Amino acid sequence: DAGVIQSPRHEVTEMGQEVTLRCKPISGHDYLFWYRQTMMRGLELLIYFNNNVPIDDSGMPEDRFSAKMPNASFSTLKIQPSEPRDSAVYFCASTPLWGSSYNEQFFGPGTRLTVL
Amino acid sequence: LAKTTQPISMDSYEGQEVNITCSHNNIATNDYITWYQQFPSQGPRFIIQGYKTKVTNEVASLFIPADRKSSTLSLPRVSLSDTAVYYCLVGDLESAGNNRKLIWGLGTSLAVNP
Repeated sequence: DAGVIQSPRHEVTEMGQEVTLRCKPISGHDYLFWYRQTMMRGLELLIYFNNNVPIDDSGMPEDRFSAKMPNASFSTLKIQPSEPRDSAVYFCASTPLWGSSYNEQFFGPGTRLTVL
Repeated sequence: LAKTTQPISMDSYEGQEVNITCSHNNIATNDYITWYQQFPSQGPRFIIQGYKTKVTNEVASLFIPADRKSSTLSLPRVSLSDTAVYYCLVGDLESAGNNRKLIWGLGTSLAVNP
């Protein structure tokens, strides 16, 4: 398996533009997570899905952020409009099990977003 | 919500044992403790997980005291390639419903020197 795939790896945009980040989880994994990582705040869980259904989006910072998972092999995180403070590395992760004693998350390589 | 506290940074030398302690005073009964490793420009990678006492795998050991308010990741005989950021993660199971909150600490930056 190729692991979790994210695209693009790097994104530079201007304030006010729409940004769409993409993720393909590992096949067979039922759970998908979106994280944001910054130096100041570390890793923050934004939202996670179970079987394509959003379960907890309490970490989504504001209405400018939205996430979808139209099928088991694809998810998007959209920021509209983007702001400089959204600059961060965004990670997608998936796991085959949750609610059990083993919940290893497999992370993608991340998307480094810079909003000018 | 559970909260984890770790040292910001640590220094060590090749061949030494490194112990990184994480405090999680508000750990809930059903929470597990998980450690991840992260290299620059990569996503975190799972190292080890435990609930109580001691867990050992091929790369690390995890020590958890009876009160579970802290945990210690032990890396035996570190090498230069162990230079990374290490995160302690405590799963926070809310008593109502099945929502789970994951609170990641800021991590411990470990520098292994030759």
